[in-house]
Amino acid sequence: DGGITQSPKYLFRKEGQNVTLSCEQNLNHDAMYWYRQDPGQGLRLIYYSQIVNDFQKGDIAEGYSVSREKKESFPLTVTSAQKNPTAFYLCASSSGTGRNQPQHFGDGTRLSIL
Amino acid sequence: QKEVEQNSGPLSVPEGAIASLNCTYSDRGSQSFFWYRQYSGKSPELIMFIYSNGDKEDGRFTAQLNKASQYVSLLIRDSQPSDSATYLCAVPSGSARQLTFGSGTQLTVLP
Repeated sequence: DGGITQSPKYLFRKEGQNVTLSCEQNLNHDAMYWYRQDPGQGLRLIYYSQIVNDFQKGDIAEGYSVSREKKESFPLTVTSAQKNPTAFYLCASSSGTGRNQPQHFGDGTRLSIL
Repeated sequence: QKEVEQNSGPLSVPEGAIASLNCTYSDRGSQSFFWYRQYSGKSPELIMFIYSNGDKEDGRFTAQLNKASQYVSLLIRDSQPSDSATYLCAVPSGSARQLTFGSGTQLTVLP
């Protein structure tokens, strides 16, 4: 089945540690996105990528980094510079950027501080 | 000013009633609008999108768009307890059509 796979489902970060969240899609989608969701809040955009080897900062990119070396993969690294990393992280993808192209989401990764 | 605003709720309706969820947006150039449903602890799933003024119906769901007044609404007819979730309004913008989300409306359908 085609879809978006995020792993791990739960992740714990120690003080000063970088952690990487995985996002893989087999939908052959060009565009991929990372969002952060805090309790009772909507989603906020961290980074996005329209094509391989290119990505752009979203609204809250500080303390995060990404790479897009393959079309199907868009990993997110939460660095030690992100002082409040506890949140629900969602990866999404879409087939294009036309006005009717929806984004579909993976199941998410919950990150907490130890 | 937030770009996408929703009535935060919580909203409670009895089973079988019509649930009405509203969303306003600030960018007059916005052309399409998405409604996502998010169950507690789960990721959002797309339930409706609309880009033309007027109504769009899909089963028990109707999306209504009024570009002049800059609002989009979602009606859920014959509400069921399984409709209890948070509903997120999202508006694409920018070159990559990245979504700006409202904070969501929590809906509870009472049996």
